[in-house]
Amino acid sequence: SAVISQKPSRDICQRGTSLTIQCQVDSQVTMMFWYRQQPGQSLTLIATANQGSEATYESGFVIDKFPISRPNLTFSTLTVSNMSPEDSSIYLCSARTTPGTIYFGEGSWLTVV
Amino acid sequence: AQTVTQSQPEMSVQEAETVTLSCTYDTSENNYYLFWYKQPPSRQMILVIRQEAYKQQNATENRFSVNFQKAAKSFSLKISDSQLGDTAMYFCAFKAAGNKLTFGGGTRVLVKP
Repeated sequence: SAVISQKPSRDICQRGTSLTIQCQVDSQVTMMFWYRQQPGQSLTLIATANQGSEATYESGFVIDKFPISRPNLTFSTLTVSNMSPEDSSIYLCSARTTPGTIYFGEGSWLTVV
Repeated sequence: AQTVTQSQPEMSVQEAETVTLSCTYDTSENNYYLFWYKQPPSRQMILVIRQEAYKQQNATENRFSVNFQKAAKSFSLKISDSQLGDTAMYFCAFKAAGNKLTFGGGTRVLVKP
């Protein structure tokens, strides 16, 4: 298994500002991912964080809005830029430890006011 | 594209009883993984159990077991001897050769004392 830590766990943000979420894994992993869970909804993949190269974004998500960094095999950040109330969600970091196993962090609950 | 369907939005069960959650999926892939994740009020996504499609034997983890019917594309979760701590949202998820997890809409499980 893997222990995945996220910071912040919760934040209230002003409209128009940006917030960076950090994700730390306790072991080196090849694949890290960022998901969004809007209120009362299921999870949707935002992007795959690639170490040493640009993130791969899913349809509907763009780098300007959700820039992602992956400086090494244990750490990644997701920035939510120019936030609006529609960005109020839980953002979850995940990591693939083996070909068939994906673990998640505790989630970061953002409320935009 | 893969889709995952959880037809039961909410289930309730008496403590110590058994509850079964249904999940169906649609895919043209032959090799894939299926997962059940639990999301308690703390929001963290906790991996409950996983099944590799090429394995005929149903996966079991303590009180949690699955009934995997590949031909029918069905993957149900049975929670035996339900405990109050099992109260949570449960998500069925699918992963094929790529790394993207596709989630169902979730089933809310309430264990009553």
